[in-house]
Amino acid sequence: QKEVEQDPGPLSVPEGAIVSLNCTYSNSAFQYFMWYRQYSRKGPELLMYTYSSGNKEDGRFTAQVDKSSKYISLFIRDSQPSDSATYLCAMWTNTDKLIFGTGTRLQVFP
Amino acid sequence: DVKVTQSSRYLVKRTGEKVFLECVQDMDHENMFWYRQDPGLGLRLIYFSYDVKMKEKGDIPEGYSVSREKKERFSLILESASTNQTSMYLCASSLFTLRGATEAFFGQGTRLTVV
Repeated sequence: QKEVEQDPGPLSVPEGAIVSLNCTYSNSAFQYFMWYRQYSRKGPELLMYTYSSGNKEDGRFTAQVDKSSKYISLFIRDSQPSDSATYLCAMWTNTDKLIFGTGTRLQVFP
Repeated sequence: DVKVTQSSRYLVKRTGEKVFLECVQDMDHENMFWYRQDPGLGLRLIYFSYDVKMKEKGDIPEGYSVSREKKERFSLILESASTNQTSMYLCASSLFTLRGATEAFFGQGTRLTVV
């Protein structure tokens, strides 16, 4: 079983839609979670960083962590064509390694 | 703003060459990482380092080595490049506090082609 599972997509939505991106993880000891956005041929850009269960909001982005279910989500409100990218979830393991999901490719069409 | 800089955006090397990929960060971070990213496989950890002269193997260290002589610089070395090392290489750094690790920041990536 992979430590982090993420649906690769692609996910295609119309402009203005609410997007939900998700990851599940296997080890309840993982506790720091991040979401990255990666445009084609560029390095990943940090979007959100969360520690505890609950929600964290930043502009149109909301990160949600449910530690009891080992499930994390990223919501994008009022999605824009410029949000079209690959979204990666990441987390620190209890042995201080940073591991990633395989990424979900998102396309927002006008 | 944290800056992680990789020395090259694109590289083309021949099979058997020794290849050096350089990464520099300007935020005094303790932790530095090298990943490779391939379609369908995501980011895979090659090596990481907690401090100067310290290194730990990641998930796919074979065919690679690293060097960290200064805190701000972490080098990835391909001892004898092979075509299966054609990939996007990504360097990252993060601070480490008493609370544990923090956000990790990435460089722009080096797309290496081995011919």
